[in-house]
Amino acid sequence: GAGVSQSPRYKVAKRGQDVALRCDPISGHVSLFWYQQALGQGPEFLTYFQNEAQLDKSGLPSDRFFAERPEGSVSTLKIQRTQQEDSAVYLCASSLAWGEIRVANEQFFGPGTRLTVL
Amino acid sequence: KQEVTQIPAALSVPEGENLVLNCSFTDSAIYNLQWFRQDPGKGLTSLLLIQSSQREQTSGRLNASLDKSSGRSTLYIAASQPGDSATYLCAVRDSGGYQKVTFGTGTKLQVIP
Repeated sequence: GAGVSQSPRYKVAKRGQDVALRCDPISGHVSLFWYQQALGQGPEFLTYFQNEAQLDKSGLPSDRFFAERPEGSVSTLKIQRTQQEDSAVYLCASSLAWGEIRVANEQFFGPGTRLTVL
Repeated sequence: KQEVTQIPAALSVPEGENLVLNCSFTDSAIYNLQWFRQDPGKGLTSLLLIQSSQREQTSGRLNASLDKSSGRSTLYIAASQPGDSATYLCAVRDSGGYQKVTFGTGTKLQVIP
């Protein structure tokens, strides 16, 4: 398909384990976003990439969270030493670019990865 | 810090009714505002995006308006259908810095057949 894909769709981790969540954006999309969505809440911004450059990581909740996009396409969100409060759905979104053209900055979301930390 | 509020948090209407969902934001220096729907266990589906220079956007039975100066947007759904049942989220993209996106907490809509 041509949409944003994420893997795995579900992840169960024991407290203290490291996890890696993958996002495949739409081909050719320059901008990539990661969000965290707790149950019953709206998504909370985590970090933003333009190509391989991480331009904003102000939303990452702690230094246990790390994101990368080394070749400007696939991105990985890594969480070290997971805690129960990390349990949430992690959403990835991409957009063509940004600019005055409306269609360029419309965000398209993947299905998310539901992380449960026991 | 941008804050986005959506009212009501939940709404239940009979099929066929027209309805309005509200979104308000505290910082009017926005780049754009986007409305999404989210079905249970699914990702977000984009409905409408309004650039800061625009007043409204329309797609089928949906119409979204933007009043940047008052910090408000509304999503109007005409002739609601059971398939419209979902959570509706608005998201505001700031105009400054790296254009951070802030979401509201959503309105959960149920359309009763």
